Amino acid sequence: GESVGLHLPTLSVQEGDNSIINCAYSNSASDYFIWYKQESGKGPQFIIDIRSNMDKRQGQRVTVLLNKTVKHLSLQIAATQPGDSAVYFCAENGSGGYNKLIFGAGTRLAVHP
Amino acid sequence: DAGVIQSPRHEVTEMGQEVTLRCKPISGHNSLFWYRQTMMRGLELLIYFNNNVPIDDSGMPEDRFSAKMPNASFSTLKIQPSEPRDSAVYFCASRGTGSNTGELFFGEGSRLTVL
Repeated sequence: GESVGLHLPTLSVQEGDNSIINCAYSNSASDYFIWYKQESGKGPQFIIDIRSNMDKRQGQRVTVLLNKTVKHLSLQIAATQPGDSAVYFCAENGSGGYNKLIFGAGTRLAVHP
Repeated sequence: DAGVIQSPRHEVTEMGQEVTLRCKPISGHNSLFWYRQTMMRGLELLIYFNNNVPIDDSGMPEDRFSAKMPNASFSTLKIQPSEPRDSAVYFCASRGTGSNTGELFFGEGSRLTVL
């Protein structure tokens, strides 16, 4: 697969533990945020999104938290599984809309049995 | 259902050669995006189309890059002439008609190596 992300920050967790991946965004005008997961050799895949009028949103085994005061976003994964091993990207919409997402650098999640 | 289909998956070429990357979006999607991914710069939006019309190409690095979408089911990204710094993974993505989210459906990418 593609070798992007060799120097990414890495979070290592044990299978079954909860994972928290953090992201600091830059644009105060952003009002929409989204998390993507990228497995080796594949394109990014949508996980969950949140709008700025919310501070928490839950999906299946995932929760996104938004703190607009400090421009911080986090993704929580419950009961982490080996299949969760991937690079996780947060993205913000910057000047608005959904067409020009600004992606963060990514965090690699390594799940150990 | 087939997802976004990109070709070729891998291409190795020499500096100065023309490179053409191809994309077939998901049927019924009316927005198409080309991204480039490198270790140094991460994921960058190059250009996007709505209803086959280029809307914003401000991310295209220079005139050597061009993109077309002749119909709703096909797009190309061309680099002419190619340079070693163009080596990257190029992703095509599409988004559904009427979608009010940022959920993009990405292809598996075209890995370009320019020697």
